[in-house]
Amino acid sequence: EILMTQSPATLSVSPGERATLSCRASQSVSSNVAWYQQKPGQPPRLLIYGASTRATGIPARFSGSGSGTEFTLTISSLQSEDLAVYYCQQYNVWPPGFTFGPGTKVDIK
Amino acid sequence: QVQLVESGGGLVKPGGSLRLSCAASGFILSDHYMGWIRQAPGKGLDWVAYINHGGSTTYYADSVKGRFTVSRDNRKKSLYLQLNRLTAEDTAVYYCARPLAISGYYCGFDSWGRGTLVTVSS
Repeated sequence: EILMTQSPATLSVSPGERATLSCRASQSVSSNVAWYQQKPGQPPRLLIYGASTRATGIPARFSGSGSGTEFTLTISSLQSEDLAVYYCQQYNVWPPGFTFGPGTKVDIK
Repeated sequence: QVQLVESGGGLVKPGGSLRLSCAASGFILSDHYMGWIRQAPGKGLDWVAYINHGGSTTYYADSVKGRFTVSRDNRKKSLYLQLNRLTAEDTAVYYCARPLAISGYYCGFDSWGRGTLVTVSS
């Protein structure tokens, strides 16, 4: 079973600053990683798939990079509406399934 | 636009059963695999089940295998999740979700319902 870990657990960033979120897979998942944003009281929203491709309608300040076991989600200039929990997910190995990371909570400093 | 609406959640005793439904609109359900993902209160996302276009092939997380059954009725534009032998650890919001498929390959879940809460408690 592939395990996904994320760091840090919580990230406090001032508006306009860059936020860098990390995700690590326990074994190579190629570029088969997605990132989701979940705001309080809402379902998750797909931000990035294929490690680096923005989903439809996602602002350009969100970017993804990485391959193999190390992945990064970058928010280039944090906006107040970006307060959320961000999850990575691997889909390289399924079945058995699609493994999510534990999430990184982004706070506005 | 794509809309997914879950229903059927509620309070159930340990060992009990529940059937969740997901009504799909705004797209052709039979064109898509579909999935269920859950989220325990204050916790992260936990993939539960996945079903192919016609319902002939299903996949389950180890934690629910043998207890949960995913099915679909494309004519009724609906997805279902039968939950049996429930325990407190199954308490969660259950989301149905549609995957983004690029050239037939899964690329993440790009449409989600708002979820339905299942609470397992005596």
